[in-house]
Amino acid sequence: NAGVTQTPKFQVLKTGQSMTLQCAQDMNHEYMSWYRQDPGMGLRLIHYSVGAGITDQGEVPNGYNVSRSTTEDFPLRLLSAAPSQTSVYFCASRKLNAEAFFGQGTRLTVV
Amino acid sequence: RKEVEQDPGPFNVPEGATVAFNCTYSNSASQSFFWYRQDCRKEPKLLMSVYSSGNEDGRFTAQLNRASQYISLLIRDSKLSDSATYLCVVFLSGSARQLTFGSGTQLTVLP
Repeated sequence: NAGVTQTPKFQVLKTGQSMTLQCAQDMNHEYMSWYRQDPGMGLRLIHYSVGAGITDQGEVPNGYNVSRSTTEDFPLRLLSAAPSQTSVYFCASRKLNAEAFFGQGTRLTVV
Repeated sequence: RKEVEQDPGPFNVPEGATVAFNCTYSNSASQSFFWYRQDCRKEPKLLMSVYSSGNEDGRFTAQLNRASQYISLLIRDSKLSDSATYLCVVFLSGSARQLTFGSGTQLTVLP
Protein backbone atom coordinates (compact mmCIF):
# COMPACT_ATOMS: atom_id res chain seq x y z
CA ASN A 1 0.00 0.00 0.00
CA ALA A 2 2.87 2.39 -0.66
CA GLY A 3 1.02 4.60 -3.18
CA VAL A 4 3.21 7.59 -4.04
CA THR A 5 6.55 7.81 -2.24
CA GLN A 6 8.59 11.00 -2.20
CA THR A 7 12.06 11.53 -0.83
CA PRO A 8 13.51 13.41 0.91
CA LYS A 9 10.89 14.98 3.19
CA PHE A 10 13.09 17.94 4.06
CA GLN A 11 16.09 19.49 2.34
CA VAL A 12 18.19 22.60 2.76
CA LEU A 13 20.34 23.67 -0.18
CA LYS A 14 22.76 26.45 -0.77
CA THR A 15 22.23 28.70 -3.76
CA GLY A 16 23.73 27.10 -6.83
CA GLN A 17 23.62 23.52 -5.58
CA SER A 18 21.81 20.85 -7.53
CA MET A 19 19.70 17.99 -6.26
CA THR A 20 17.12 15.44 -7.28
CA LEU A 21 13.75 14.90 -5.65
CA GLN A 22 12.66 11.31 -5.99
CA CYS A 23 9.13 10.13 -6.69
CA ALA A 24 7.91 6.57 -7.14
CA GLN A 25 4.45 5.09 -7.46
CA ASP A 26 3.34 1.47 -7.39
CA MET A 27 -0.19 1.88 -8.78
CA ASN A 28 0.76 1.53 -12.45
CA HIS A 29 -0.51 5.04 -13.15
CA GLU A 30 0.27 6.50 -16.55
CA TYR A 31 0.23 10.12 -15.51
CA MET A 32 2.73 11.61 -13.07
CA SER A 33 3.34 15.22 -12.23
CA TRP A 34 5.28 17.58 -10.02
CA TYR A 35 3.74 20.57 -8.29
CA ARG A 36 5.06 23.28 -6.07
CA GLN A 37 2.93 24.90 -3.43
CA ASP A 38 3.58 28.39 -2.14
CA PRO A 39 1.46 30.39 0.31
CA GLY A 40 -1.55 31.95 -1.40
CA MET A 41 -0.59 30.48 -4.78
CA GLY A 42 -2.13 27.04 -4.70
CA LEU A 43 -0.53 24.10 -6.45
CA ARG A 44 1.31 24.99 -9.63
CA LEU A 45 2.34 22.39 -12.15
CA ILE A 46 6.07 22.18 -12.88
CA HIS A 47 6.38 19.20 -15.23
CA TYR A 48 4.28 16.20 -16.06
CA SER A 49 4.48 12.89 -17.88
CA VAL A 50 1.76 10.85 -19.58
CA GLY A 51 3.90 7.72 -19.76
CA ALA A 52 7.41 6.33 -19.79
CA GLY A 53 9.64 8.31 -22.11
CA ILE A 54 7.20 11.23 -22.41
CA THR A 55 7.50 14.45 -20.42
CA ASP A 56 6.26 17.97 -20.90
CA GLN A 57 6.38 21.35 -19.22
CA GLY A 58 3.74 22.70 -16.94
CA GLU A 59 3.08 26.21 -15.71
CA VAL A 60 6.42 26.88 -13.95
CA PRO A 61 9.11 24.66 -15.51
CA ASN A 62 12.12 26.99 -15.44
CA GLY A 63 15.00 25.71 -13.32
CA TYR A 64 13.72 22.14 -13.23
CA ASN A 65 14.29 19.01 -15.30
CA VAL A 66 12.49 15.70 -15.30
CA SER A 67 12.78 12.30 -16.92
CA ARG A 68 10.53 9.25 -17.01
CA SER A 69 12.53 6.15 -17.83
CA THR A 70 10.05 3.80 -16.14
CA THR A 71 6.34 3.91 -15.34
CA GLU A 72 7.11 3.91 -11.63
CA ASP A 73 9.67 6.70 -11.25
CA PHE A 74 9.55 10.41 -12.01
CA PRO A 75 12.49 12.32 -10.48
CA LEU A 76 12.63 16.11 -10.42
CA ARG A 77 16.04 17.76 -10.76
CA LEU A 78 16.93 21.23 -9.61
CA LEU A 79 19.82 22.29 -11.78
CA SER A 80 21.13 25.28 -9.82
CA ALA A 81 19.03 26.04 -6.77
CA ALA A 82 17.81 29.58 -6.19
CA PRO A 83 16.03 31.09 -3.16
CA SER A 84 12.90 31.47 -5.34
CA GLN A 85 12.72 27.67 -5.42
CA THR A 86 12.09 27.51 -1.69
CA SER A 87 8.74 25.77 -1.57
CA VAL A 88 6.88 22.57 -0.80
CA TYR A 89 7.03 20.11 -3.67
CA PHE A 90 4.44 17.42 -4.31
CA CYS A 91 4.57 14.54 -6.69
CA ALA A 92 1.26 13.12 -7.87
CA SER A 93 0.15 10.21 -9.99
CA ARG A 94 -3.14 9.13 -11.51
CA LYS A 95 -4.80 7.21 -14.23
CA LEU A 96 -5.61 9.48 -17.14
CA ASN A 97 -8.88 11.36 -16.54
CA ALA A 98 -9.05 10.31 -12.89
CA GLU A 99 -8.27 11.86 -9.53
CA ALA A 100 -4.68 12.36 -8.40
CA PHE A 101 -2.85 10.73 -5.51
CA PHE A 102 -0.11 12.73 -3.86
CA GLY A 103 3.16 11.95 -2.18
CA GLN A 104 3.85 13.35 1.29
CA GLY A 105 5.76 16.32 -0.02
CA THR A 106 9.30 17.68 0.16
CA ARG A 107 9.96 20.89 2.06
CA LEU A 108 12.85 22.58 0.31
CA THR A 109 14.69 25.62 1.60
CA VAL A 110 17.32 27.32 -0.52
CA VAL A 111 19.61 29.67 1.38
CA ARG B 1 -8.47 36.00 -14.02
CA LYS B 2 -7.46 32.77 -12.33
CA GLU B 3 -8.76 29.58 -13.90
CA VAL B 4 -10.08 28.34 -10.58
CA GLU B 5 -11.01 30.80 -7.84
CA GLN B 6 -11.89 30.18 -4.25
CA ASP B 7 -12.58 32.40 -1.28
CA PRO B 8 -9.43 31.89 0.81
CA GLY B 9 -11.28 32.42 4.08
CA PRO B 10 -10.50 31.74 6.81
CA PHE B 11 -13.86 30.39 7.81
CA ASN B 12 -14.13 30.00 11.57
CA VAL B 13 -17.26 28.13 12.62
CA PRO B 14 -18.46 26.49 15.83
CA GLU B 15 -18.82 22.74 16.11
CA GLY B 16 -22.11 21.58 14.69
CA ALA B 17 -22.43 24.45 12.25
CA THR B 18 -23.14 24.12 8.55
CA VAL B 19 -20.62 25.77 6.25
CA ALA B 20 -20.50 26.13 2.48
CA PHE B 21 -17.65 26.89 0.12
CA ASN B 22 -17.92 28.00 -3.46
CA CYS B 23 -15.48 27.74 -6.29
CA THR B 24 -15.70 29.29 -9.75
CA TYR B 25 -13.90 28.14 -12.87
CA SER B 26 -13.26 30.04 -16.07
CA ASN B 27 -13.16 27.36 -18.75
CA SER B 28 -16.63 26.22 -19.77
CA ALA B 29 -15.14 23.09 -21.36
CA SER B 30 -13.97 21.78 -17.98
CA GLN B 31 -15.02 18.20 -17.63
CA SER B 32 -14.46 16.88 -14.12
CA PHE B 33 -14.47 18.43 -10.72
CA PHE B 34 -13.12 17.41 -7.35
CA TRP B 35 -12.81 18.62 -3.81
CA TYR B 36 -9.56 17.83 -2.02
CA ARG B 37 -8.74 18.28 1.62
CA GLN B 38 -5.32 19.37 2.81
CA ASP B 39 -4.28 19.29 6.43
CA CYS B 40 -1.55 21.60 7.65
CA ARG B 41 1.82 20.61 6.21
CA LYS B 42 0.39 17.46 4.61
CA GLU B 43 -0.37 16.34 1.09
CA PRO B 44 -3.79 16.98 -0.51
CA LYS B 45 -6.18 14.05 -0.36
CA LEU B 46 -9.33 13.48 -2.38
CA LEU B 47 -12.45 14.33 -0.42
CA MET B 48 -15.00 13.72 -3.14
CA SER B 49 -15.66 13.98 -6.83
CA VAL B 50 -18.39 16.34 -7.98
CA TYR B 51 -21.02 15.00 -10.34
CA SER B 52 -23.43 16.93 -12.50
CA SER B 53 -26.44 15.77 -10.52
CA GLY B 54 -24.81 16.62 -7.22
CA ASN B 55 -23.63 14.04 -4.75
CA GLU B 56 -23.48 13.42 -1.05
CA ASP B 57 -21.07 11.55 1.15
CA GLY B 58 -22.19 11.54 4.75
CA ARG B 59 -22.06 15.12 6.03
CA PHE B 60 -20.57 16.41 2.78
CA THR B 61 -22.58 17.50 -0.25
CA ALA B 62 -21.08 18.68 -3.52
CA GLN B 63 -22.96 20.56 -6.23
CA LEU B 64 -22.06 21.59 -9.75
CA ASN B 65 -23.63 24.45 -11.67
CA ARG B 66 -22.31 24.36 -15.21
CA ALA B 67 -24.36 27.32 -16.40
CA SER B 68 -22.78 29.59 -13.79
CA GLN B 69 -19.48 27.70 -13.77
CA TYR B 70 -19.21 27.08 -10.08
CA ILE B 71 -19.06 24.16 -7.73
CA SER B 72 -19.87 24.10 -4.06
CA LEU B 73 -19.12 22.04 -0.99
CA LEU B 74 -21.50 21.92 1.96
CA ILE B 75 -20.40 20.52 5.29
CA ARG B 76 -23.12 19.80 7.81
CA ASP B 77 -22.67 19.25 11.54
CA SER B 78 -19.05 20.40 11.46
CA LYS B 79 -16.53 18.48 13.54
CA LEU B 80 -13.23 19.66 14.95
CA SER B 81 -11.57 17.17 12.63
CA ASP B 82 -12.99 18.99 9.59
CA SER B 83 -10.50 21.82 10.20
CA ALA B 84 -8.34 21.88 7.08
CA THR B 85 -7.89 23.65 3.77
CA TYR B 86 -10.32 22.61 1.05
CA LEU B 87 -9.06 22.70 -2.52
CA CYS B 88 -11.29 22.96 -5.54
CA VAL B 89 -9.89 21.03 -8.52
CA VAL B 90 -10.99 21.22 -12.13
CA PHE B 91 -10.05 18.82 -14.90
CA LEU B 92 -9.91 19.85 -18.54
CA SER B 93 -9.24 16.98 -20.91
CA GLY B 94 -6.64 17.73 -23.55
CA SER B 95 -5.11 20.78 -21.90
CA ALA B 96 -1.49 20.73 -20.85
CA ARG B 97 -2.35 21.20 -17.23
CA GLN B 98 -5.39 18.97 -17.07
CA LEU B 99 -5.84 19.24 -13.29
CA THR B 100 -6.02 22.86 -12.13
CA PHE B 101 -6.14 23.64 -8.42
CA GLY B 102 -7.71 26.52 -6.61
CA SER B 103 -5.69 28.21 -3.88
CA GLY B 104 -7.85 26.64 -1.18
CA THR B 105 -10.30 27.74 1.48
CA GLN B 106 -9.20 27.46 5.07
CA LEU B 107 -11.72 26.12 7.58
CA THR B 108 -11.32 26.10 11.33
CA VAL B 109 -13.99 24.45 13.43
CA LEU B 110 -14.01 25.82 16.97
CA PRO B 111 -15.05 23.92 20.08
